[in-house]
Amino acid sequence: GENVEQHPSTLSVQEGDSAVIKCTYSDSASNYFPWYKQELGKGPQLIIDIRSNVGEKKDQRIAVTLNKTAKHFSLHITETQPEDSAVYFCAAMLDFGNEKLTFGTGTRLTIIP
Amino acid sequence: NAGVTQTPKFQVLKTGQSMTLQCAQDMNHEYMSWYRQDPGMGLRLIHYSVGAGITDQGEVPNGYNVSRSTTEDFPLRLLSAAPSQTSVYFCASSYEYGEAFFGQGTRLTVV
Repeated sequence: GENVEQHPSTLSVQEGDSAVIKCTYSDSASNYFPWYKQELGKGPQLIIDIRSNVGEKKDQRIAVTLNKTAKHFSLHITETQPEDSAVYFCAAMLDFGNEKLTFGTGTRLTIIP
Repeated sequence: NAGVTQTPKFQVLKTGQSMTLQCAQDMNHEYMSWYRQDPGMGLRLIHYSVGAGITDQGEVPNGYNVSRSTTEDFPLRLLSAAPSQTSVYFCASSYEYGEAFFGQGTRLTVV
């Protein structure tokens, strides 16, 4: 089955700086890579996703890049704000048709004011 | 606009007790899943369903049972609770190829 590794497990950045979280996956057949943000006491919420036919996707301050050859993808948050503090999870979907997501272990991002 | 609703939010069980975690979605999504979240381990798939009447096992199915009699509901049953099942449980739903929407979670403690 698929295996997703995520680094770092914790990340502290100064407000206004950029944050980067990296994930690698094991199965080259994976073709959908979402990123979720989880705030304290809440369920994960999708913030951005990318499919295997695209190398990069941006949405305002958030971007995701995908390198299918190396089997890794990254989340980039620019101009960080205090409300960006949360736990972020990457995930990979191996097989369209059953919607089975394999998650990374999460990154706790803290924005220092 | 309820989305995915999980009940209860908190539960304490004694070892050996059984219970059902409820999950309901009002978005007419075909796909529903149950995950457990443990510190340092991310979210792990327990069971999932691709439509009413169809369920399958995920990564960690032992000790759990599911059924999907309607599109809207996907309950998770703990057959005989064990301390190792202490966790936060999340239900999710999605369309095919689509964004997964998660509920608010159920925090379960087994003593």
